[in-house]
Amino acid sequence: NAGVTQTPKFRILKIGQSMTLQCAQDMNHNYMYWYRQDPGMGLKLIYYSVGAGITDKGEVPNGYNVSRSTTEDFPLRLELAAPSQTSVYFCASSYSRDMYQETQYFGPGTRLLVL
Amino acid sequence: AQKVTQAQTEISVVEKEDVTLDCVYETRDTTYYLFWYKQPPSGELVFLIRRNSFDEQNEISGRYSWNFQKSTSSFNFTITASQVVDSAVYFCALSEAGNQGGKLIFGQGTELSVKP
Repeated sequence: NAGVTQTPKFRILKIGQSMTLQCAQDMNHNYMYWYRQDPGMGLKLIYYSVGAGITDKGEVPNGYNVSRSTTEDFPLRLELAAPSQTSVYFCASSYSRDMYQETQYFGPGTRLLVL
Repeated sequence: AQKVTQAQTEISVVEKEDVTLDCVYETRDTTYYLFWYKQPPSGELVFLIRRNSFDEQNEISGRYSWNFQKSTSSFNFTITASQVVDSAVYFCALSEAGNQGGKLIFGQGTELSVKP
Protein backbone atom coordinates (compact mmCIF):
# COMPACT_ATOMS: atom_id res chain seq x y z
CA ASN A 1 0.00 0.00 0.00
CA ALA A 2 1.19 3.50 -0.80
CA GLY A 3 -0.67 4.86 2.24
CA VAL A 4 -1.52 8.56 1.99
CA THR A 5 -0.04 10.37 -0.98
CA GLN A 6 0.04 14.09 -1.65
CA THR A 7 0.93 16.15 -4.69
CA PRO A 8 2.68 18.43 -5.32
CA LYS A 9 5.50 18.34 -2.79
CA PHE A 10 6.25 22.02 -3.18
CA ARG A 11 4.60 24.94 -4.92
CA ILE A 12 5.06 28.68 -5.20
CA LEU A 13 1.93 30.72 -5.85
CA LYS A 14 1.44 34.37 -6.56
CA ILE A 15 -1.08 36.31 -4.51
CA GLY A 16 -4.55 35.81 -5.98
CA GLN A 17 -3.77 32.58 -7.81
CA SER A 18 -5.68 29.40 -7.14
CA MET A 19 -4.57 25.82 -6.87
CA THR A 20 -5.67 22.37 -5.78
CA LEU A 21 -3.66 20.20 -3.41
CA GLN A 22 -4.23 16.56 -4.15
CA CYS A 23 -4.57 13.82 -1.54
CA ALA A 24 -5.25 10.15 -2.05
CA GLN A 25 -5.25 7.09 0.19
CA ASP A 26 -5.41 3.41 -0.65
CA MET A 27 -6.23 2.03 2.80
CA ASN A 28 -10.01 2.19 2.32
CA HIS A 29 -10.26 4.70 5.15
CA ASN A 30 -13.57 6.52 5.40
CA TYR A 31 -12.27 9.52 7.27
CA MET A 32 -9.91 12.04 5.76
CA TYR A 33 -8.46 15.32 7.03
CA TRP A 34 -6.56 18.37 5.94
CA TYR A 35 -4.24 20.12 8.38
CA ARG A 36 -1.88 23.02 8.05
CA GLN A 37 1.34 23.47 9.96
CA ASP A 38 2.77 26.94 10.36
CA PRO A 39 6.45 27.37 11.32
CA GLY A 40 7.14 26.35 14.91
CA MET A 41 3.53 25.36 15.48
CA GLY A 42 1.46 22.26 15.78
CA LEU A 43 -1.06 21.22 13.16
CA LYS A 44 -4.47 22.83 12.83
CA LEU A 45 -7.45 21.18 11.18
CA ILE A 46 -8.78 22.87 8.04
CA TYR A 47 -11.48 20.47 6.82
CA TYR A 48 -12.42 16.88 7.32
CA SER A 49 -14.63 14.28 5.67
CA VAL A 50 -16.38 11.27 7.16
CA GLY A 51 -17.15 9.71 3.79
CA ALA A 52 -17.74 10.36 0.13
CA GLY A 53 -20.00 13.36 -0.32
CA ILE A 54 -19.69 14.51 3.31
CA THR A 55 -17.35 17.27 4.42
CA ASP A 56 -17.20 19.67 7.34
CA LYS A 57 -15.15 22.61 8.56
CA GLY A 58 -12.36 22.34 11.04
CA GLU A 59 -10.64 25.03 13.05
CA VAL A 60 -9.24 27.18 10.20
CA PRO A 61 -11.41 26.72 7.07
CA ASN A 62 -11.40 30.27 5.70
CA GLY A 63 -9.87 30.55 2.23
CA TYR A 64 -10.19 26.84 1.47
CA ASN A 65 -12.68 24.46 -0.06
CA VAL A 66 -12.84 20.69 -0.25
CA SER A 67 -14.78 18.00 -2.02
CA ARG A 68 -14.99 14.25 -1.55
CA SER A 69 -16.42 12.49 -4.56
CA THR A 70 -14.68 9.16 -3.87
CA THR A 71 -13.45 7.33 -0.79
CA GLU A 72 -9.87 7.55 -2.02
CA ASP A 73 -9.48 11.23 -2.89
CA PHE A 74 -9.82 14.41 -0.85
CA PRO A 75 -8.54 17.48 -2.73
CA LEU A 76 -8.08 20.83 -1.03
CA ARG A 77 -8.75 23.93 -3.10
CA LEU A 78 -7.18 27.31 -2.39
CA GLU A 79 -9.01 30.22 -3.96
CA LEU A 80 -7.31 33.62 -4.19
CA ALA A 81 -4.10 32.64 -2.44
CA ALA A 82 -2.84 34.98 0.28
CA PRO A 83 0.55 35.18 2.05
CA SER A 84 -1.16 33.96 5.23
CA GLN A 85 -1.70 30.63 3.48
CA THR A 86 2.03 30.00 3.28
CA SER A 87 2.32 26.79 5.23
CA VAL A 88 2.90 23.06 5.06
CA TYR A 89 -0.29 21.14 4.33
CA PHE A 90 -0.81 17.62 5.55
CA CYS A 91 -3.51 15.22 4.52
CA ALA A 92 -4.42 12.35 6.84
CA SER A 93 -6.82 9.45 6.92
CA SER A 94 -8.19 7.04 9.49
CA TYR A 95 -10.41 4.00 9.78
CA SER A 96 -13.98 4.75 10.66
CA ARG A 97 -15.05 2.21 13.24
CA ASP A 98 -14.88 4.56 16.21
CA MET A 99 -13.59 7.75 14.79
CA TYR A 100 -12.13 9.41 17.82
CA GLN A 101 -9.98 6.49 18.74
CA GLU A 102 -8.53 5.57 15.40
CA THR A 103 -5.01 6.56 14.50
CA GLN A 104 -4.66 9.12 11.76
CA TYR A 105 -1.99 8.37 9.20
CA PHE A 106 -0.41 11.30 7.46
CA GLY A 107 0.83 12.02 3.97
CA PRO A 108 4.28 13.51 3.33
CA GLY A 109 3.00 17.07 3.16
CA THR A 110 2.85 19.85 0.57
CA ARG A 111 4.94 22.94 1.17
CA LEU A 112 3.21 26.04 -0.18
CA LEU A 113 4.75 29.48 -0.52
CA VAL A 114 2.54 32.43 -1.48
CA LEU A 115 4.40 35.50 -2.69
CA ALA B 1 -11.94 23.49 26.28
CA GLN B 2 -9.51 20.97 24.91
CA LYS B 3 -5.86 21.89 24.84
CA VAL B 4 -2.45 20.26 24.62
CA THR B 5 0.62 21.96 26.04
CA GLN B 6 4.19 21.01 25.33
CA ALA B 7 6.07 23.52 27.41
CA GLN B 8 9.51 22.52 26.16
CA THR B 9 10.06 24.23 22.83
CA GLU B 10 13.57 22.90 22.30
CA ILE B 11 15.72 20.31 24.05
CA SER B 12 19.33 19.56 23.30
CA VAL B 13 21.09 16.48 24.65
CA VAL B 14 24.25 14.56 23.97
CA GLU B 15 23.98 11.10 22.54
CA LYS B 16 23.26 8.33 25.08
CA GLU B 17 21.58 10.72 27.49
CA ASP B 18 18.02 9.99 28.57
CA VAL B 19 15.46 12.67 27.75
CA THR B 20 11.83 13.21 28.72
CA LEU B 21 9.38 15.21 26.64
CA ASP B 22 6.47 16.63 28.59
CA CYS B 23 2.85 16.76 27.49
CA VAL B 24 -0.02 18.18 29.52
CA TYR B 25 -3.57 18.12 28.23
CA GLU B 26 -6.95 19.60 29.12
CA THR B 27 -10.26 17.98 28.35
CA ARG B 28 -13.74 17.74 29.81
CA ASP B 29 -14.40 14.38 28.19
CA THR B 30 -13.92 11.24 30.24
CA THR B 31 -13.20 9.27 27.08
CA TYR B 32 -10.32 10.38 24.93
CA TYR B 33 -7.16 9.25 23.20
CA LEU B 34 -3.64 10.61 23.40
CA PHE B 35 -1.03 10.29 20.68
CA TRP B 36 2.61 10.98 20.04
CA TYR B 37 3.93 11.70 16.55
CA LYS B 38 7.49 12.20 15.39
CA GLN B 39 8.41 14.68 12.65
CA PRO B 40 11.99 14.10 11.48
CA PRO B 41 13.86 16.72 9.44
CA SER B 42 12.45 15.19 6.26
CA GLY B 43 9.06 16.54 7.34
CA GLU B 44 6.70 13.59 7.42
CA LEU B 45 4.65 12.75 10.50
CA VAL B 46 5.30 9.33 11.96
CA PHE B 47 2.85 7.77 14.39
CA LEU B 48 4.50 6.52 17.60
CA ILE B 49 1.80 5.60 20.09
CA ARG B 50 -1.88 5.83 20.96
CA ARG B 51 -3.23 5.58 24.50
CA ASN B 52 -6.88 5.66 25.62
CA SER B 53 -8.10 7.39 28.75
CA PHE B 54 -8.99 4.14 30.50
CA ASP B 55 -5.57 2.59 30.25
CA GLU B 56 -3.02 4.15 32.58
CA GLN B 57 -0.43 1.47 32.20
CA ASN B 58 2.94 2.72 31.16
CA GLU B 59 4.22 1.45 27.86
CA ILE B 60 7.71 0.61 26.72
CA SER B 61 8.81 0.04 23.16
CA GLY B 62 12.54 -0.45 22.84
CA ARG B 63 14.21 2.78 23.91
CA TYR B 64 10.87 4.60 24.04
CA SER B 65 8.56 4.69 27.03
CA TRP B 66 5.42 6.61 27.86
CA ASN B 67 4.05 7.61 31.25
CA PHE B 68 0.33 8.41 31.36
CA GLN B 69 -0.99 9.99 34.57
CA LYS B 70 -4.62 11.07 34.61
CA SER B 71 -4.19 12.67 38.03
CA THR B 72 -1.87 15.27 36.53
CA SER B 73 -3.30 15.17 32.97
CA SER B 74 0.09 14.30 31.61
CA PHE B 75 1.37 11.92 28.96
CA ASN B 76 5.15 12.15 28.99
CA PHE B 77 7.53 10.50 26.57
CA THR B 78 11.00 9.29 27.51
CA ILE B 79 13.78 8.28 25.17
CA THR B 80 16.46 6.21 26.83
CA ALA B 81 20.03 6.30 25.55
CA SER B 82 19.18 8.86 22.90
CA GLN B 83 20.68 8.62 19.42
CA VAL B 84 21.31 11.17 16.71
CA VAL B 85 18.49 9.61 14.68
CA ASP B 86 16.07 10.64 17.43
CA SER B 87 16.57 14.27 16.43
CA ALA B 88 13.13 15.47 15.36
CA VAL B 89 10.13 17.49 16.41
CA TYR B 90 7.78 15.48 18.60
CA PHE B 91 4.09 16.26 18.84
CA CYS B 92 1.62 15.21 21.47
CA ALA B 93 -2.04 15.19 20.36
CA LEU B 94 -5.49 14.66 21.88
CA SER B 95 -8.66 13.22 20.36
CA GLU B 96 -11.89 13.45 22.35
CA ALA B 97 -14.81 11.06 22.06
CA GLY B 98 -17.25 13.94 21.89
CA ASN B 99 -15.29 15.72 19.20
CA GLN B 100 -17.10 15.49 15.89
CA GLY B 101 -14.87 14.37 13.09
CA GLY B 102 -12.17 12.77 15.20
CA LYS B 103 -10.28 16.02 15.28
CA LEU B 104 -6.75 15.87 16.67
CA ILE B 105 -5.67 18.71 18.91
CA PHE B 106 -1.92 19.11 18.64
CA GLY B 107 0.57 20.64 21.01
CA GLN B 108 3.11 23.04 19.58
CA GLY B 109 5.79 20.38 19.48
CA THR B 110 9.17 19.88 21.13
CA GLU B 111 12.24 20.02 18.95
CA LEU B 112 14.78 17.48 20.15
CA SER B 113 18.36 17.78 19.06
CA VAL B 114 20.67 14.89 19.87
CA LYS B 115 24.31 15.74 19.37
CA PRO B 116 27.01 13.12 18.84
